[in-house]
Amino acid sequence: GAVVSQHPSWVICKSGTSVKIECRSLDFQATTMFWYRQFPKQSLMLMATSNEGSKATYEQGVEKDKFLINHASLTLSTLTVTSAHPEDSSFYICSTGQGLNTEAFFGQGTRLTVV
Amino acid sequence: DQQVKQNSPSLSVQEGRISILNCDYTNSMFDYFLWYKKYPAEGPTFLISISSIKDKNEDGRFTVFLNKSAKHLSLHIVPSQPGDSAVYFCAASARGLQNNNDMRFGAGTRLTVKP
Repeated sequence: GAVVSQHPSWVICKSGTSVKIECRSLDFQATTMFWYRQFPKQSLMLMATSNEGSKATYEQGVEKDKFLINHASLTLSTLTVTSAHPEDSSFYICSTGQGLNTEAFFGQGTRLTVV
Repeated sequence: DQQVKQNSPSLSVQEGRISILNCDYTNSMFDYFLWYKKYPAEGPTFLISISSIKDKNEDGRFTVFLNKSAKHLSLHIVPSQPGDSAVYFCAASARGLQNNNDMRFGAGTRLTVKP
């Protein structure tokens, strides 16, 4: 199956700073990547859809100026949490698929803790 | 709006017995359902899927059953093994949508298989 690499796996940052999370597809070109967030005991919630070469599409309630998504190449999408606050502490995870295959391939996830 | 629900946050079974994980959905547009397995500090990995044209799909020890009229699906693992201990996510998608990887996830059920 496809391999999706996400980095870092965990990060602790101070309130007010920014954190960048990278998601790479290692063995195929991904025109679309998806970013999810999971709070404890809750579902994986889709935050945004990252499209290579164009602007990301954000889900309702997700602040696009706070969660900056860049998909500059077919193998890399980044999510930057700007001016992080403790309530942004969560598990962030990216996924992508291959063409029409509805099976998604996930990165390892990033545990963000804002102190 | 929780379109996919897994009402049991946890399940504990004895090794060798059957594990049954349940999932309910509300959106009648969903036509493809997937189960993912997640170990701590890792991203979810695909386990098994079922299309709405079927009511059963089997892969080794894993069988997924779909009851469209009840908008309910279940994952059966038999016999259960300690290595099956993980969080299991139910996901649903509507492949008629442009983004056919746009899935909705349940909150997950933590399965513990006791030796």
